[in-house]
Amino acid sequence: EAQVTQNPRYLITVTGKKLTVTCSQNMNHEYMSWYRQDPGLGLRQIYYSMNVEVTDKGDVPEGYKVSRKEKRNFPLILESPSPNQTSLYFCASRNRGRYEKLFFGSGTQLSVL
Amino acid sequence: EDKVVQSPLSLVVHEGDTVTLNCSYEVTNFRSLLWYKQEKKAPTFLFMLTSSGIEKKSGRLSSILDKKELFSILNITATQTGDSAVYLCALYSGGGADGLTFGKGTHLIIQP
Repeated sequence: EAQVTQNPRYLITVTGKKLTVTCSQNMNHEYMSWYRQDPGLGLRQIYYSMNVEVTDKGDVPEGYKVSRKEKRNFPLILESPSPNQTSLYFCASRNRGRYEKLFFGSGTQLSVL
Repeated sequence: EDKVVQSPLSLVVHEGDTVTLNCSYEVTNFRSLLWYKQEKKAPTFLFMLTSSGIEKKSGRLSSILDKKELFSILNITATQTGDSAVYLCALYSGGGADGLTFGKGTHLIIQP
């Protein structure tokens, strides 16, 4: 089944403790991205990657890192999480040029205390 | 900077009613407008609109774009409780990132 898999689904952590949210897709998509969704603010893009070893900042990259060492994986790293990073996170992927066919993962609800 | 404004932010109707959700936008380089439905988890694609005046339809859902007045509407007829969701409008301008700018969404609640 074609899908984007994020883990974990829920995460509660404390300020400053490094964490990684994993994202994997099995559709051989070149393009992957991370969004955060906050009440009243909608979906905002954090980082995106056009292909392996190619990443770039989205609209709200501060406090996040990403890497794209393999085509299928695009982890989101929070080196020192803070409470303002409490949010619902989505990973998404698509084929290059097929922007309407954006496949989303099921989301990761992160709470930073 | 591209901008997408959805209204209303929240809407509660009774089952069987017809609803119209609005999306207005500002963009420097319009490519297309997309609608997504978000239930408890990930958004799922509904429609993509690129040309004015051409209605896209899928069952009880339909959408149309007005490029002159810079807006789109999403209609749902004979609503059912399963239509309860957040409906997201997104603009694709083709630049930079994936160029998708999302609105804040309309939270639709259908009461039995």
